[in-house]
Amino acid sequence: QKEVEQDPGPLSVPEGAIVSLNCTYSNSAFQYFMWYRQYSRKGPELLMYTYSSGNKEDGRFTAQVDKSSKYISLFIRDSQPSDSATYLCAMPVGGGANSKLTFGKGITLSVRP
Amino acid sequence: NAGVMQNPRHLVRRRGQEARLRCSPMKGHSHVYWYRQLPEEGLKFMVYLQKENIIDESGMPKERFSAEFPKEGPSILRIQQVVRGDSAAYFCASSREGEQYFGPGTRLTVT
Repeated sequence: QKEVEQDPGPLSVPEGAIVSLNCTYSNSAFQYFMWYRQYSRKGPELLMYTYSSGNKEDGRFTAQVDKSSKYISLFIRDSQPSDSATYLCAMPVGGGANSKLTFGKGITLSVRP
Repeated sequence: NAGVMQNPRHLVRRRGQEARLRCSPMKGHSHVYWYRQLPEEGLKFMVYLQKENIIDESGMPKERFSAEFPKEGPSILRIQQVVRGDSAAYFCASSREGEQYFGPGTRLTVT
């Protein structure tokens, strides 16, 4: 079983839609959870960084962590064409904040005008 | 505050040559990580360094690859005797405490 599994894509939605992106993980020791956005041929950009269970909101983005189910989600409200990118979930291996990251494979989102 | 800097952005090497990739972390960041991204494979960890120390190199191939982060200057990822399979995007990330910020990457092409 892979450490981090991410819903396969691609995903195409109309502008203004609510987008839900999901990952599951196998290691119950994971404490920190990250979402990155990567535009084509660019470096990953940190979107959300959360610790333990619960919700965190930043503008149109909400990160949700359910440690009991080992499930994390990223919600994008009022999606825009500029949100078209690949989204990656990531977790530090070993539980510590400064550990190496293990990534999901990423899901490519396309927002149609 | 400048972000993570990587150079060169694009590098072409013939098989058997050496590739040197450089990474300057964000100001105040003492942790540096190198990742490799192959098409259809996602981002994979290679090595984690702090100044003058390799903390975790569990993702580094045993041969031909080495990394350093000297007291002065950028972190260097060095690939000796490159092969076609080394063609990939190599990303560096830095952190102060926890959150890792990525650079724009170096795209290595081996011909």
